[in-house]
Amino acid sequence: AQSVSQHNHHVILSEAASLELGCNYSYGGTVNLFWYVQYPGQHLQLLLKYFSGDPLVKGIKGFEAEFIKSKFSFNLRKPSVQWSDTAEYFCAVKSYSSASKIIFGSGTRLSIRP
Amino acid sequence: EAGVTQFPSHSVIEKGQTVTLRCDPISGHDNLYWYRRVMGKEIKFLLHFVKESKQDESGMPNNRFLAERTGGTYSTLKVQPAELEDSGVYFCASSYGLTTRGNSPLHFGNGTRLTVT
Repeated sequence: AQSVSQHNHHVILSEAASLELGCNYSYGGTVNLFWYVQYPGQHLQLLLKYFSGDPLVKGIKGFEAEFIKSKFSFNLRKPSVQWSDTAEYFCAVKSYSSASKIIFGSGTRLSIRP
Repeated sequence: EAGVTQFPSHSVIEKGQTVTLRCDPISGHDNLYWYRRVMGKEIKFLLHFVKESKQDESGMPNNRFLAERTGGTYSTLKVQPAELEDSGVYFCASSYGLTTRGNSPLHFGNGTRLTVT
């Protein structure tokens, strides 16, 4: 069965620090990969997605993620975080062959000290 | 465009009672999903509708949960009778198109926080 592992439950950083949130998935076939973000009091929204092509994907607000197939990883990065990046981040995977469910990780809560 | 709306935003019920959650997807979105997040854990898939048909209900925990999408518009998720372990945030999401081969991202509602006491 597919699963998604996010290594950190809670990350605390100061403004301008660099960010990397880990995500590993288990599925042997072709996948679509996603990062979703939930800002305080708001709904989940798509941050970025990988379908095919360039494994380095750029999303909104300066975020990027790199798909490394050999490591089954899709880590999220941002070179310099801002206080407004405080949120919970979810990695997700969907089998390309499936017309159905997206599997989510348990989320990483990011707190930015101003 | 209006987003996915869920009602109620919060519900507190006693064990053994019934609760019905409602989700209104974005107009024109054929795919509708229910997910649940128990505190601190992953957002877990419950089921997927394509229009009014259940495409995948493999995530439904047991027969106390009943989801419907009559007419292919809004959906309801009924829990009867509710148990303590049903507490969590129930998310609804919708996406465009008859299939979801990754080109249509999920649009989420704000969720319904269910507390069973």
